[in-house]
Amino acid sequence: GENVEQHPSTLSVQEGDSAVIKCTYSDSASNYFPWYKQELGKRPQLIIDIRSNVGEKKDQRIAVTLNKTAKHFSLHITETQPEDSAVYFCAASDGNNRLAFGKGNQVVVIP
Amino acid sequence: DAGVIQSPRHEVTEMGQEVTLRCKPISGHDYLFWYRQTMMRGLELLIYFNNNVPIDDSGMPEDRFSAKMPNASFSTLKIQPSEPRDSAVYFCASSLGSLTDTQYFGPGTRLTVL
Repeated sequence: GENVEQHPSTLSVQEGDSAVIKCTYSDSASNYFPWYKQELGKRPQLIIDIRSNVGEKKDQRIAVTLNKTAKHFSLHITETQPEDSAVYFCAASDGNNRLAFGKGNQVVVIP
Repeated sequence: DAGVIQSPRHEVTEMGQEVTLRCKPISGHDYLFWYRQTMMRGLELLIYFNNNVPIDDSGMPEDRFSAKMPNASFSTLKIQPSEPRDSAVYFCASSLGSLTDTQYFGPGTRLTVL
């Protein structure tokens, strides 16, 4: 089945700096790659997603890039703010379109 | 719409007891998912339904776990008998028309089995 790994597990950044989280996946049939944000004690919420026919997608301060050849995709957060502190989960669809989630990255924005 | 609703929000029970978790998906959503979240294993898909029919239960850990969806607005996840290793946060999620549509998560049920 699909194996999704996230690196680094924890990332600390100064407020205003950029944060980048990378995910790798194993299933070459994967074609859908969402990112979810989970604040402490809350539910995961979709923040951005990308499909395999696109290499990059942006939404204000966040962007996702996809490299299908290398089987990795990354989340970019620019001008980080304290409210960006959360756990971020990447996911990839497997050959049956089920989502396999990574174990999450803890992002800490230091004011 | 109120979003995905789950109950109870917290459940504390003793080993061996039966536990029933409940979920109401967003109206009009065809897909319903049950996930389990733990520190060690992250977010795991247990089972999903399409139009009330269970499609894939390969993530259900053991026969002690069962899930039903008697109608489009209600699903249950049952653990019988419960064990301490079942302690986790259980999320229900729903999506509109396909597996790769946005999944909207409920607030989760934090289960503690003593």
